[in-house]
Amino acid sequence: EPEVTQTPSHQVTQMGQEVILRCVPISNHLYFYWYRQILGQKVEFLVSFYNNEISEKSEIFDDQFSVERPDGSNFTLKIRSTKLEDSAMYFCASREGSQGLQPQHFGDGTRLSIL
Amino acid sequence: AQSVTQLGSHVSVSEGALVLLRCNYSSSVPPYLFWYVQYPNQGLQLLLKYTSAATLVKGINGFEAEFKKSETSFHLTKPSAHMSDAAEYFCAVSGKAAGNKLTFGGGTRVLVKP
Repeated sequence: EPEVTQTPSHQVTQMGQEVILRCVPISNHLYFYWYRQILGQKVEFLVSFYNNEISEKSEIFDDQFSVERPDGSNFTLKIRSTKLEDSAMYFCASREGSQGLQPQHFGDGTRLSIL
Repeated sequence: AQSVTQLGSHVSVSEGALVLLRCNYSSSVPPYLFWYVQYPNQGLQLLLKYTSAATLVKGINGFEAEFKKSETSFHLTKPSAHMSDAAEYFCAVSGKAAGNKLTFGGGTRVLVKP
């Protein structure tokens, strides 16, 4: 069964450094998402992306964050200048599209640790 | 705005006993509802979804959930717990537009005792 893949599985970065988290969504999917889960807290929505533009973003997704689909397969989340509070598990998800009843498929996540 | 509340952050059941995980939602429009499971060091895997076709929804691994509009609930059950059911379970709600985000509950971690 097709799956969403995320790399790396674990990223350790110094505070203030830029980090790029990578995702390869399922190939025929049209909608892409990033979520994060701080240890011990809820899974939180960050951003959704469709037709090469952001369709919705949360309050968390400030100017330090950006997303990109640089080619036909990858979907990236960039954090420009990381803070300690960015430490979390980041999940990428994709959805086939056109109807809300189609579920989102999640990757295994990237654990981001900011030192 | 949508929200999800899962009662009980931890549930402990004996192997073979009933598993009951509670989920209540708040939504201004008829929602789509989902249960996801997360095994250690893995992503979120879809267990089942409610999309208004039937109020009792059957999912994978013997789980099912019943949508009760009057109670704004979508509780997850399994008649007989197995050791492999030990995981964290998340209830989530979305609107019906294609790009709609998921709003998650806080999760319930299930421990299965032999």
